[in-house]
Amino acid sequence: ETGVTQSPTHLIKTRGQQVTLRCSSQSGHNTVSWYQQALGQGPQFIFQYYREEENGRGNFPPRFSGLQFPNYSSELNVNALELDDSALYLCASSLGQGANYEQYFGPGTRLTVT
Amino acid sequence: GQNIDQPTEMTATEGAIVQINCTYQTSGFNGLFWYQQHAGEAPTFLSYNVLDGLEEKGRFSSFLSRSKGYSYLLLKELQMKDSASYLCAVRDRSTGGYNKLIFGAGTRLAVHP
Repeated sequence: ETGVTQSPTHLIKTRGQQVTLRCSSQSGHNTVSWYQQALGQGPQFIFQYYREEENGRGNFPPRFSGLQFPNYSSELNVNALELDDSALYLCASSLGQGANYEQYFGPGTRLTVT
Repeated sequence: GQNIDQPTEMTATEGAIVQINCTYQTSGFNGLFWYQQHAGEAPTFLSYNVLDGLEEKGRFSSFLSRSKGYSYLLLKELQMKDSASYLCAVRDRSTGGYNKLIFGAGTRLAVHP
């Protein structure tokens, strides 16, 4: 157990809908990163939030957006869902954004788009 | 560009030793991680290398050569529960100053009796 929690565990949505996934970081961690992991692939970096601001983004379209709250929990929002968005979504928290901080992963949210 | 390569699948026998290789190309190398991931679960941390050499942790060891862009994970005394995917991930310090993990596709290890 890493102390990072995510909700919901599983989710089924229809193409075109919108979804919000949630992540509670480990106590004291001010940095949250989100990853998308398609079946049979490694996780792909979506974006990172540090002290409530996005400070880095991977190669994902603008319909992927996020928030980080004052308690450092975070949300991932995906608009206009596509079939290819079906994946395991992982969040990882760390003490900071610097080089020495390890990322701790939550259990993930399995999203299925039909 | 950024690229991480590792074998797709490996098989091994219970009690044996297996080595999983990983080669990488990144612009802002800032450490290499190995994670274990059982099907449908989150990755769990196994090891971390930032300097050249071998890091040993019980049955698991990891090696790094920064000049060759190469790492391996060594698993000894294999157990059935070691059947999982093993992910090689490089921490990349981008020009924006933040750190992100770049993952390989993972190596699925099957341990047989």
